[in-house]
Amino acid sequence: AQSVTQLGSHVSVSEGALVLLRCNYSSSVPPYLFWYVQYPNQGLQLLLKYTSAATLVKGINGFEAEFKKSETSFHLTKPSAHMSDAAEYFCAVSETSGSRLTFGEGTQLTVNP
Amino acid sequence: SQTIHQWPATLVQPVGSPLSLECTVEGTSNPNLYWYRQAAGRGLQLLFYSVGIGQISSEVPQNLSASRPQDRQFILSSKKLLLSDSGFYLCAWTPGYNQPQHFGDGTRLSIL
Repeated sequence: AQSVTQLGSHVSVSEGALVLLRCNYSSSVPPYLFWYVQYPNQGLQLLLKYTSAATLVKGINGFEAEFKKSETSFHLTKPSAHMSDAAEYFCAVSETSGSRLTFGEGTQLTVNP
Repeated sequence: SQTIHQWPATLVQPVGSPLSLECTVEGTSNPNLYWYRQAAGRGLQLLFYSVGIGQISSEVPQNLSASRPQDRQFILSSKKLLLSDSGFYLCAWTPGYNQPQHFGDGTRLSIL
C-alpha cells in the first residue's frame, strides 16, 4: 500500500529564507505525487503535481518540487519565503487503483518577519 | 470551468441530532467524489468516495453515511451525531484516476 511521510509537523523560517518541506513516499508502482496548501478554515489548493514527465515540477506561488526515485522523495521548495506562505502543506500519493489519494499528516509552515 | 460547492460553511448541532452536508460539482460529468474529515491539528481522513451514481465506498466504520443521488451531488449524513463527529469536513472531486483532487471550502461542524 502507498504511504506518505512528511518530516516535521512544524517548520519555521524567516521571511526571505529558503523553504524546504520534506515528503517521502512508499509506492509499489510508479507514483503520482501532489502537494497541496491549506489556509485556515479553507479547503486544500493544489500547488503542483508529478505525473512522470519532468522530475522537477514547478507549481503556483513560486513553489517547486523535485522527484527523486532513488530517495523516494518529493520535497517542496521555494527560494524566498513570503509572509503569505504561512499555511499547512500536505503531500499526497495516488493509490495503486488511482481512485484515491493517501495524504501525509501535513506540515505547518510559519514565516517570521 | 469546473467548480465545487459545499454548504453550509459552519454548523453547530446538538448531540443526537441528524446531519446533512451537501456537495455539488459544476462543469464536469461523472466525477469521482470524496468526503474527508479533518480533526483539529490533524491530517485528512477519507470517509467515503464514489465513482458513480449510487456507488459508495466506505473507508471508516462510523455513524456517518454518504449518498450520491445525482451525478454531481454528494451528500454526507448522520441519523444521530456524536461529540466525536466534530471537525472540518471537506468534499473533493477528480475527473479520473491518478488525477489531482479539487476541494471545496469545507464545513466546520461543532457538536455541543
